[in-house]
Amino acid sequence: SQQGEEDPQALSIQEGENATMNCSYKTSINNLQWYRQNSGRGLVHLILIRSNEREKHSGRLRVTLDTSKKSSSLLITASRAADTASYFCASTQGGSEKLVFGKGTKLTVNP
Amino acid sequence: GAVVSQHPSRVICKSGTSVKIECRSLDFQATTMFWYRQFPKQSLMLMATSNEGSKATYEQGVEKDKFLINHASLTLSTLTVTSAHPEDSSFYICSARPGGPGDTQYFGPGTRLTVL
Repeated sequence: SQQGEEDPQALSIQEGENATMNCSYKTSINNLQWYRQNSGRGLVHLILIRSNEREKHSGRLRVTLDTSKKSSSLLITASRAADTASYFCASTQGGSEKLVFGKGTKLTVNP
Repeated sequence: GAVVSQHPSRVICKSGTSVKIECRSLDFQATTMFWYRQFPKQSLMLMATSNEGSKATYEQGVEKDKFLINHASLTLSTLTVTSAHPEDSSFYICSARPGGPGDTQYFGPGTRLTVL
């Protein structure tokens, strides 16, 4: 079953605004990753945050991880129309190498 | 770096035929590759884990005789959909992992399979 659950399922904002997407999971994880998928395309790896990390930045992206709440958030600052895509969180747990994906958030950035 | 390619990007076939999809890691070696399936507006579901030189590990509910996986080298894995049926129509995505468990997986661009 899918472990990660993103919310919101869909988000529509104006260019320049910030976009925040959340992901919750049910069991202990080794790390959590965020991916972007443009319509009909493959996934692009955005950022990986390990279970012992609390925050990570990459350009306009900021990811937080709260293991006590079993949740993560992805913040995209100063959004652009090109950020329009679906965003998925995914995690591995225990000794498993399987990456379990959430259902994704569809982000639309209006110019 | 860390580029994964898939071929073909799109394929249309008749019911009953077999289709082979290739997944290649272009600039790194991948001991492990993964095959996912994605239905429209849904998330990715892992089908199988492919390790170079050994048999693939299939997820529960995935027919290994229908979805044949071969990982013959450190840069190539193939997925063959045998005796395809319309319900096999989907978006198939592979990923390759240069390191061990927990390392980043790099995804291919996907293959859109349509079975008529």
